[in-house]
Amino acid sequence: KQEVTQIPAALSVPEGENLVLNCSFTDSAIYNLQWFRQDPGKGLTSLLLIQSSQREQTSGRLNASLDKSSGRSTLYIAASQPGDSATYLCAAEEGGSNYKLTFGKGTLLTVNP
Amino acid sequence: GAVVSQHPSWVICKSGTSVKIECRSLDFQATTMFWYRQFPKQSLMLMATSNEGSKATYEQGVEKDKFLINHASLTLSTLTVTSAHPEDSSFYICSASRDRGRETQYFGPGTRLLVL
Repeated sequence: KQEVTQIPAALSVPEGENLVLNCSFTDSAIYNLQWFRQDPGKGLTSLLLIQSSQREQTSGRLNASLDKSSGRSTLYIAASQPGDSATYLCAAEEGGSNYKLTFGKGTLLTVNP
Repeated sequence: GAVVSQHPSWVICKSGTSVKIECRSLDFQATTMFWYRQFPKQSLMLMATSNEGSKATYEQGVEKDKFLINHASLTLSTLTVTSAHPEDSSFYICSASRDRGRETQYFGPGTRLLVL
């Protein structure tokens, strides 16, 4: 059974800092690894999707890396802004006929002006 | 594109009543829809996966007779919580996929259910 862990559970940084969020998963037989953003009381917004054959994906100030063999992914946020404050979730998608997403509990990020 | 809506966004009901939540893909046809539940400060937990026109596949520990899922069309899935109890109070989120496994799931805004 896949288990996804995110560290830290919460992070508070001043505006402008670069930061790294960590995600680990127990079963390396994943189809892809995804990062989402969730604002309080809201649904999820997809940020980045890394296919199992890829090592990283970039979108603007966000960069996500994937190391399948070690069961780890990181989300790097450059030059953080107060608008980046949210909960960031990573999810491992299994392949086969299921394509099930297993989520971590998330990292609550607060960027202080 | 790829917008998913949910209705209602909030629902408060008395214990023992049934509640229906709708999930719609507004601008695409969803081959598969997923229902998740999220308790405070917890992960999203997949409840069931549904494909249009077929029975839903429920995750272990999810009572299929309590959480009825109907995926009547390629743009609509409904989740009915039957005989709701306070412990069913949670945040229910649906997602839809138009090309399962090849691109991300698109999530709805969620429905917060409070059972009194």
